[in-house]
Amino acid sequence: GAVVSQHPSWVICKSGTSVKIECRSLDFQATTMFWYRQFPKQSLMLMATSNEGSKATYEQGVEKDKFLINHASLTLSTLTVTSAHPEDSSFYICSPSTFEDNEQFFGPGTRLTVL
Amino acid sequence: RKEVEQDPGPFNVPEGATVAFNCTYSNSASQSFFWYRQDCRKEPKLLMSVYSSGNEDGRFTAQLNRASQYISLLIRDSKLSDSATYLCVVNPGYALNFGKGTSLLVTP
Repeated sequence: GAVVSQHPSWVICKSGTSVKIECRSLDFQATTMFWYRQFPKQSLMLMATSNEGSKATYEQGVEKDKFLINHASLTLSTLTVTSAHPEDSSFYICSPSTFEDNEQFFGPGTRLTVL
Repeated sequence: RKEVEQDPGPFNVPEGATVAFNCTYSNSASQSFFWYRQDCRKEPKLLMSVYSSGNEDGRFTAQLNRASQYISLLIRDSKLSDSATYLCVVNPGYALNFGKGTSLLVTP
């Protein structure tokens, strides 16, 4: 399967700080990047979709000014949680896609804890 | 109504048992269907795709009933290593919609 990396794997930060999460597809070019988050005992919820070189499309209820997504290249996308608050504590997972394969691959996830 | 609904469990079964999970989805235009497995604090990993004709992969059998919008997963001869959360996943043609998952614990 495809190799996807996410960095950092976990982060603890103070309320009000910004956190950047990087997602890299190491062995294929991702024309589309999906960003999900998962709260404890909940399903993965799609936050936004980005296509390389264009603005991200956000799902209803996800603030685009709070969750900044950059998809500047076919192998790298970043999600920045700005002015993080405790309610942003969650498991963030990226999923790069080419739409050529039936399987959708996921990064290993970033566990964010905001104190 | 949630788009993908699953019984959260937990299902506690002894080794060697057969266990079945069910899932329903609301979007009748959904195009593809999957079961993913998620271990604690890990990303989901594809277990198998699901087809109307039914498909089997070793001890795992998946079935799709489009008319009822119902998906099932059967695990035979459960192993300790099968303990995980099983996610029912539906693709309505855009991005994946995930169920909350069904937790399985296989005990010795």
